Amino acid sequence: QQQVKQSPQSLIVQKGGISIINCAYENTAFDYFPWYQQFPGKGPALLIAIRPDVSEKKEGRFTISFNKSAKQFSLHIMDSQPGDSATYFCAAELGGSQGNLIFGKGTKLSVKP
Amino acid sequence: DGGITQSPKYLFRKEGQNVTLSCEQNLNHDAMYWYRQDPGQGLRLIYYSQIVNDFQKGDIAEGYSVSREKKESFPLTVTSAQKNPTAFYLCASGYPGSPQHFGDGTRLSIL
Repeated sequence: QQQVKQSPQSLIVQKGGISIINCAYENTAFDYFPWYQQFPGKGPALLIAIRPDVSEKKEGRFTISFNKSAKQFSLHIMDSQPGDSATYFCAAELGGSQGNLIFGKGTKLSVKP
Repeated sequence: DGGITQSPKYLFRKEGQNVTLSCEQNLNHDAMYWYRQDPGQGLRLIYYSQIVNDFQKGDIAEGYSVSREKKESFPLTVTSAQKNPTAFYLCASGYPGSPQHFGDGTRLSIL
């Protein structure tokens, strides 16, 4: 119930291509869904976040698509660049949980030049 | 400028030794968190604190202890009871419903 399942575990994309990472959850009480980007040896940094009353949110080349009925959300990186090569984590926050996040296990993205 | 500072960046622990990881924030956030990151495992919550002098166990608290004597500081002690302490430890701060901000981590290894 508390898990967030993330796929794929790793992803290789050509420069200029679209990277897609998917996450699924079971608990409908989750009400905040952030995505984090992490480079080696660094802490995760917030990339983009969405709430379940919105089906899509776009910031630059990064878009979250949210399907409330399917309990799934995904990150799309358009025009992927080698500098986007990093590990990406989806997360979910339980409403009333005092801000505690449940993280997916991460996707390692490699963008080939 | 504002942020979260974790120190040291690398730490080595001897058998039977307790070690303490430092986390300081100047973002004026009420909540602070400690996570453990292992390869392929994502981030797992060790302890969290919503206010000074109060903290709660997360999913993997055994073998760890914390204190929250000041709003800005949330140190984590890895005790000798933690039999597999080798990991990347991340500290974060934030408000509920808003993004958590992370430090750059401490990598703990066994000597």
